[in-house]
Amino acid sequence: GESVGLHLPTLSVQEGDNSIINCAYSNSASDYFIWYKQESGKGPQFIIDIRSNMDKRQGQRVTVLLNKTVKHLSLQIAATQPGDSAVYFCAENNGANSKLTFGKGITLSVRP
Amino acid sequence: DTEVTQTPKHLVMGMTNKKSLKCEQHMGHRAMYWYKQKAKKPPELMFVYSYEKLSINESVPSRFSPECPNSSLLNLHLHALQPEDSALYLCASSHWGNSPLHFGNGTRLTVT
Repeated sequence: GESVGLHLPTLSVQEGDNSIINCAYSNSASDYFIWYKQESGKGPQFIIDIRSNMDKRQGQRVTVLLNKTVKHLSLQIAATQPGDSAVYFCAENNGANSKLTFGKGITLSVRP
Repeated sequence: DTEVTQTPKHLVMGMTNKKSLKCEQHMGHRAMYWYKQKAKKPPELMFVYSYEKLSINESVPSRFSPECPNSSLLNLHLHALQPEDSALYLCASSHWGNSPLHFGNGTRLTVT
């Protein structure tokens, strides 16, 4: 069936470095994508979103890239900080029914 | 703090008990959701309400019964649960269509 997945289960980066978290999706009908951050004991927190008519969107210290040709989504975090340590999920929505499907998640660990 | 409030934060219940989880939002969102999240797994969609009407039921067992009394409130009634139902139950809300979901911090449910 259709699925959203991530390439790596964990990512360890040095404080101050840039982080890149990747996600593959397989539903070609998906037209809206979101990145969430989840800290221990909390619900998922919205980071940034992108619609399928765009290939790049920037926020504060974060950039999301969308490559529809290869069905790939990435989240770039600039100057990674200890507070960025969390589990990150990509999620996709085909828009027709607001059914948001999450990928497997990746743990980002920031070394001081 | 999130704009979606869930109560209680923790719940322990026996397999013969009846309990309810509650969720409240005041952002004017007309879509509300229940997700279930097991440890180290992504959230899995259970139910979607659109304008107070159930629009999606992801083949959830009948021992879980959702209710949307009004546009701000969402309940999940629990009855005769199994130990494998122990999980973090997340409520979310959004505008309808391609809009980010705003999550609460969840109810940690343990079934004994």
